Amino acid sequence: DAKTTQPTSMDCAEGRAANLPCNHSTISGNEYVYWYRQIHSQGPQYIIHGLKNNETNEMASLIITEDRKSSTLILPHATLRDTAVYYCIVSPTGTASKLTFGTGTRLQVTL
Amino acid sequence: GAVVSQHPSWVICKSGTSVKIECRSLDFQATTMFWYRQFPKQSLMLMATSNEGSKATYEQGVEKDKFLINHASLTLSTLTVTSAHPEDSSFYICSARGGTGANTIYFGEGSWLTVV
Repeated sequence: DAKTTQPTSMDCAEGRAANLPCNHSTISGNEYVYWYRQIHSQGPQYIIHGLKNNETNEMASLIITEDRKSSTLILPHATLRDTAVYYCIVSPTGTASKLTFGTGTRLQVTL
Repeated sequence: GAVVSQHPSWVICKSGTSVKIECRSLDFQATTMFWYRQFPKQSLMLMATSNEGSKATYEQGVEKDKFLINHASLTLSTLTVTSAHPEDSSFYICSARGGTGANTIYFGEGSWLTVV
């Protein structure tokens, strides 16, 4: 699976948009970009995923560059409850395709 | 989204004993489930891929005789930590791909194991 690079940590003021970048320059054509987050002492929570088009759901938006070598997860109005470690993962689809976690970005939302 | 549930949420066992952790897909069938381990302040490390009706596939460095995985049905996989030692104390997390052909993997709540 392709590797990803994320900043170690980021801060965001409550109510502002949080933009979390991810580089995946070696992504293959059949690999999706997945975003998960992990709040302390809980299992990872699925946020969003995409292949090449931008995606939006009730939690976040995912912007993927045209060359697919990087992406940005956008939390439009961050709250204190969004404080977590955010993981960007690239993986092909398929029943047995697994997710390999990197170190992620620790997002701290502050008042 | 699809729901994956683990049991127990936390367990304390004595050194040398075995402990079983269950992972269930509650509203979908999962032919494949994944088991992870996470130590404090570290990322998730994939231990093995659990395949329904066949042997699990273990990642390099994971002892298959110590971490027994059974995936006897399409909704249940179990991880048994045999002859547990204090260094096996960790957060164990399972996951499953949601529904046949689905592109999303969902995770359980995790199980804290403390070996004393």
